[in-house]
Amino acid sequence: DAMVIQNPRYQVTQFGKPVTLSCSQTLNHNVMYWYQQKSSQAPKLLFHYYDKDFNNEADTPDNFQSRRPNTSFCFLDIRSPGLGDAAMYLCATSRFRETGYTDTQYFGPGTRLTVL
Amino acid sequence: AQTVTQSQPEMSVQEAETVTLSCTYDTSESDYYLFWYKQPPSRQMILVIRQEAYKQQNATENRFSVNFQKAAKSFSLKISDSQLGDAAMYFCAYRSGTASKLTFGTGTRLQVTL
Repeated sequence: DAMVIQNPRYQVTQFGKPVTLSCSQTLNHNVMYWYQQKSSQAPKLLFHYYDKDFNNEADTPDNFQSRRPNTSFCFLDIRSPGLGDAAMYLCATSRFRETGYTDTQYFGPGTRLTVL
Repeated sequence: AQTVTQSQPEMSVQEAETVTLSCTYDTSESDYYLFWYKQPPSRQMILVIRQEAYKQQNATENRFSVNFQKAAKSFSLKISDSQLGDAAMYFCAYRSGTASKLTFGTGTRLQVTL
């Protein structure tokens, strides 16, 4: 089945130790998103890629970076995790069409990040 | 900026009964989409139902239907014949017509009891 896959599902890191979260998709979608979801809160968009074009949200901290080496993969790098970065990180994909409209977003299962 | 408000942090429904989850939004745009997403505990978020603003007819997907009141900027979700598997966090979300970004509400946690 076509899907959005996130690895690992659970990640524990130490305060200040860089960490990378991975997302892959078999849907061949041209848009990939990273959301941060803290406990009992709504998902908050960090950034998204349209193909290789990177779009950062204005309030996303510089501590968060992303890479998309190809259509299928996208990575979230947290350069110096703080205790406040403990959250669920959701990857999502969608297709942006030539008409200018974006189809429905499909979400991965998320990676739960714990910062010690 | 668009905002999405879900005023019910938690709801409870008995199995086989009907429940309605509320959502209101604020926008000055005429071209937009509205969504209800379901996030079961420790499982991924999945799309429940989608409504295009230009469509007057309310969207329906099996036991799930919406009441879309464009003038009132209201978008409620009705779940009929509730099942135990419907227990989850439900998020209402808004997307501008030509944008990619989803704006989510704060969610409603639905409990289904026997």
